[in-house]
Amino acid sequence: SQQGEEDPQALSIQEGENATMNCSYKTSINNLQWYRQNSGRGLVHLILIRSNEREKHSGRLRVTLDTSKKSSSLLITASRAADTASYFCATDAVKTSYDKVIFGPGTSLSVIP
Amino acid sequence: DGGITQSPKYLFRKEGQNVTLSCEQNLNHDAMYWYRQDPGQGLRLIYYSQIVNDFQKGDIAEGYSVSREKKESFPLTVTSAQKNPTAFYLCASSLGRDRGTEAFFGQGTRLTVV
Repeated sequence: SQQGEEDPQALSIQEGENATMNCSYKTSINNLQWYRQNSGRGLVHLILIRSNEREKHSGRLRVTLDTSKKSSSLLITASRAADTASYFCATDAVKTSYDKVIFGPGTSLSVIP
Repeated sequence: DGGITQSPKYLFRKEGQNVTLSCEQNLNHDAMYWYRQDPGQGLRLIYYSQIVNDFQKGDIAEGYSVSREKKESFPLTVTSAQKNPTAFYLCASSLGRDRGTEAFFGQGTRLTVV
C-alpha cells in the first residue's frame, strides 16, 4: 500500500542547475515530508509541510503542496555535487488509529560537477 | 548527543538462523519503526510501535518479529521464515501520535545471507 510516489525515478543535472522532483500520493494526509539518503546511509529529514500549507522554504530547498491534486514538489536551487543522493517523500494518512509514515520509492539525483 | 543507533552495521546470517538487529534511541521518542530497503528501492515498513509494549505489523511483517519492552529499544528479529532477508534495514523514531512524525533514522544494518 504505497502512499507516495516520486518522479522522475532518476535525474541527472549539471552543477548550478535547479533540480525538481515530484511526489504524488493517494489519500488525504496530515503532512508530507521530504528526506535525503546518501548511498548506504540512513535517511535525513529535510523539510515537513503541513496539509494547510502551500509552500515552504529551507535554504536552497523549496517545497510546494497541492492537496487538491494530491501532489508535492521539491525544488533544489543552484545544485551542488554534494546534493547527489536519493530523495524520498513520506506521508502520514489522516488520522487513523495509529501513526504510520509511508515512503515513496525515491528519486535518484546525480549532480555532475 | 541525542540520536538513534543501529548495530551491527553489517551482519551475515546462515540460512535457517534467526538474527536480531539492534535499535536504540535516546531522543525520548514514543514511536519507533523498522523499514526494509532493497537495492534501488524505497522503504517498506516492517513493524512500528507507538508506545512501549505495543507494536503493529507494517506491510511486510511476515518472517520478522519485534519487541518494545523499553522506550529506548526496538529490536528486530529476522527469523528463518523470512525467505529473502538480504537487504538494508533501517530503524527510525519520531515523537509519535499528535506530537510529530518527523523521523530520525539510524545508519542502517546491511544483512546478508551466506
